[in-house]
Amino acid sequence: DVKVTQSSRYLVKRTGEKVFLECVQDMDHENMFWYRQDPGLGLRLIYFSYDVKMKEKGDIPEGYSVSREKKERFSLILESASTNQTSMYLCASSVAGGNEQFFGPGTRLTVL
Amino acid sequence: ILNVEQSPQSLHVQEGDSTNFTCSFPSSNFYALHWYRWETAKSPEALFVMTLNGDEKKKGRISATLNTKEGYSYLYIKGSQPEDSATYLCAFMTTDSWGKLQFGAGTQVVVTP
Repeated sequence: DVKVTQSSRYLVKRTGEKVFLECVQDMDHENMFWYRQDPGLGLRLIYFSYDVKMKEKGDIPEGYSVSREKKERFSLILESASTNQTSMYLCASSVAGGNEQFFGPGTRLTVL
Repeated sequence: ILNVEQSPQSLHVQEGDSTNFTCSFPSSNFYALHWYRWETAKSPEALFVMTLNGDEKKKGRISATLNTKEGYSYLYIKGSQPEDSATYLCAFMTTDSWGKLQFGAGTQVVVTP
């Protein structure tokens, strides 16, 4: 079974802190994605990566950066957390050119 | 940003009843339409990936149809059970989206015994 894990299920941070959200997949997938989910808005793509060290902006990249130094790991970085980044963050992966995405359990981040 | 719309936003169903709901998407540059089920405290998981106009897919009591010419897909749940309670997400991929999905806001289904 494909397994996508995220470093934390719940996280509470203060405004201005630097926040790292980690995602690891164990199926050698080329593509990895970071989404945020807010009520009534569905999943919105923040960044994605189709290979090691490659990254592309999604629909809402402002205030975020990413890092992919190894194929299995994709990190989302909030350089200076703000209250409007309080949300559920989901990581996903898929094979190159593939369809189905496999999701992690999500991290619910609260920024105070 | 492509507009994927799901309706209704939420649905309350009695156990044993059947139900269906809709996903609408732009019909141009169609590549694939996904349905995911997202249960509380779990990861979203794929139900169906549909690529051809007229596609019908089935998994147990859940089935889906696809009309790419008019840009809609229906998801049906036959004989709803409490374990069907979840948010059902549809997501759309175009020929030039490089594997990226555009998600709808979801339909939340609550099945009451």
